Amino acid sequence: DGGITQSPKYLFRKEGQNVTLSCEQNLNHDAMYWYRQDPGQGLRLIYYSQIVNDFQKGDIAEGYSVSREKKESFPLTVTSAQKNPTAFYLCASIGKGHVNTGELFFGEGSRLTVL
Amino acid sequence: AQSVAQPEDQVNVAEGNPLTVKCTYSVSGNPYLFWYVQYPNRGLQFLLKYITGDNLVKGSYGFEAEFNKSQTSFHLKKPSALVSDSALYFCAVRDRVNQAGTALIFGKGTTLSVSS
Repeated sequence: DGGITQSPKYLFRKEGQNVTLSCEQNLNHDAMYWYRQDPGQGLRLIYYSQIVNDFQKGDIAEGYSVSREKKESFPLTVTSAQKNPTAFYLCASIGKGHVNTGELFFGEGSRLTVL
Repeated sequence: AQSVAQPEDQVNVAEGNPLTVKCTYSVSGNPYLFWYVQYPNRGLQFLLKYITGDNLVKGSYGFEAEFNKSQTSFHLKKPSALVSDSALYFCAVRDRVNQAGTALIFGKGTTLSVSS
């Protein structure tokens, strides 16, 4: 079945380390997104990518980096510059048929904990 | 700037009773509004959307939402709550629109707790 796969589901990191969260989709969607979720704060947009080899900063991009070398993949790197990286990270995508309506499809999330 | 507000952090309701989860919005232009549901440690699932047309929108799992332009609200409703409806609910509004994609702005979420 088509969908979005995020890995790992749980990740522990020591302070000062970079970590990369994987997001793969087989929905043939052009646009992909990374959101960060913190308790009581809802979802905040980190980065988004409309097409391969192009991406844009969202509202809270500092301390994060992304790449979009393939249509199917949109990995997120949480760098040591991110001051408070412990959070639940959600990847999402949207297909051409849903562009005008804005209906996003989400992965199951990755929970990052900094020790 | 586009925004949504969910004024209640938590809503408690007994099984079988009607439920309402509130959402108000602030947008320039026509609003595109959404409700999503999230179960613990899972991704978000789409419930329903309002783009245009009837003010009462029906969605998944028996949920519906009422768009009220004068009150700038988009409240989520269900006539009879189930224990399995207990989850975190997000209201969202469409933000940027371009040729290939769009982003959503989410509210802070409302935890719905249905007791048996």
